[in-house]
Amino acid sequence: DQQVKQNSPSLSVQEGRISILNCDYTNSMFDYFLWYKKYPAEGPTFLISISSIKDKNEDGRFTVFLNKSAKHLSLHIVPSQPGDSAVYFCAASEWNNNDMRFGAGTRLTVKP
Amino acid sequence: ETGVTQSPTHLIKTRGQQVTLRCSSQSGHNTVSWYQQALGQGPQFIFQYYREEENGRGNFPPRFSGLQFPNYSSELNVNALELDDSALYLCASSGGGSGGPPYNEQFFGPGTRLTVL
Repeated sequence: DQQVKQNSPSLSVQEGRISILNCDYTNSMFDYFLWYKKYPAEGPTFLISISSIKDKNEDGRFTVFLNKSAKHLSLHIVPSQPGDSAVYFCAASEWNNNDMRFGAGTRLTVKP
Repeated sequence: ETGVTQSPTHLIKTRGQQVTLRCSSQSGHNTVSWYQQALGQGPQFIFQYYREEENGRGNFPPRFSGLQFPNYSSELNVNALELDDSALYLCASSGGGSGGPPYNEQFFGPGTRLTVL
């Protein structure tokens, strides 16, 4: 069963604009959420995380928003840069559980 | 500081065979997690090892087994290979005390691409 879903397989934005990547989850026990970025031929790289006690976490150009009632989180990248072009994975887990669930990923392309 | 390395890069096996994949964790990390990433999907958690003991397992059959060595490197063994085992196998290391969060300390290797014919 897919407990973490990224319904957009791909997203294309213009350099300098905002990129918004979305993620939905079904398991209400999840209380820790992460975003990873993956370039071709490399492993995923941690980007940003948020725990369920917060609704927003910001790190430079990257902000993650969590809406617990809607079981939805999003990653905002502002401004988008061509180097941000990669596959972005959303992941979720329970705080004391090592079984981290990933979405299928969204391929972001930032055009110069 | 050496990152997470995995070997081999690519591997081709036939159905019914056995395979061993290897992972060297990042220096100072005592926890290793293994993931299977099928084409077009996100990584799926197989299991985690912390200080040479299995510390959590995902929904994978017993023919998926692992080891962690005193130097914290790790092996993933898969017996009786099936066609559906074809995937990218990712290893991630972290220094989390009991093997749990914070996951932001989890560093992934580049993966081993396994093809089962």
